[in-house]
Amino acid sequence: GAVVSQHPSWVICKSGTSVKIECRSLDFQATTMFWYRQFPKQSLMLMATSNEGSKATYEQGVEKDKFLINHASLTLSTLTVTSAHPEDSSFYICSARGTDLYEQYFGPGTRLTVT
Amino acid sequence: AQKITQTQPGMFVQEKEAVTLDCTYDTSDQSYGLFWYKQPSSGEMIFLIYQGSYDEQNATEGRYSLNFQKARKSANLVISASQLGDSAMYFCAMREGSTDKLIFGTGTRLQVFP
Repeated sequence: GAVVSQHPSWVICKSGTSVKIECRSLDFQATTMFWYRQFPKQSLMLMATSNEGSKATYEQGVEKDKFLINHASLTLSTLTVTSAHPEDSSFYICSARGTDLYEQYFGPGTRLTVT
Repeated sequence: AQKITQTQPGMFVQEKEAVTLDCTYDTSDQSYGLFWYKQPSSGEMIFLIYQGSYDEQNATEGRYSLNFQKARKSANLVISASQLGDSAMYFCAMREGSTDKLIFGTGTRLQVFP
């Protein structure tokens, strides 16, 4: 069944640098991908929705210049955290939905730590 | 206003017993979907069960069943014959018909003890 991968699974970066997280649908074409953020012991908060070939739609309060999302193909979306700060440290999870799937399949998540 | 409410921050259940995790929702859409996900300590979100707003029968998937009470706007998850491996966070989520977005509740941490 539908498998979504994320890379890297964890990353540590220095404050001020940028980090890219990849989300891939391995066995289906993902017309829509979603990016979530989860702080420790909290729920998932949707950051943005991306459709292949078009600009991402960001949720209120999410800085689109800081969290760059690219959905260049039907199997790959990337989230780039630019000029990362310690408060960006979080668990980032992507999910993907195909045209014939009613649910979202989630990637394993990426734990980002900014020092 | 909260769209998805999970009132139980934590639940304990003994192995082999059944447990119900509560979820209530709020929407004015006629068409919506309700989901339950399991998140073990490793972090991945595991899809458990889905209930569509027009489904007349309660959804079941193995040991998981969804007690869907539309008039009360509740979608409780019932786990039968609990296993130690069921210990995890459980999230209820809703997708409203007009959007493709999932809205999550705050989660319930389930601990199964021997």
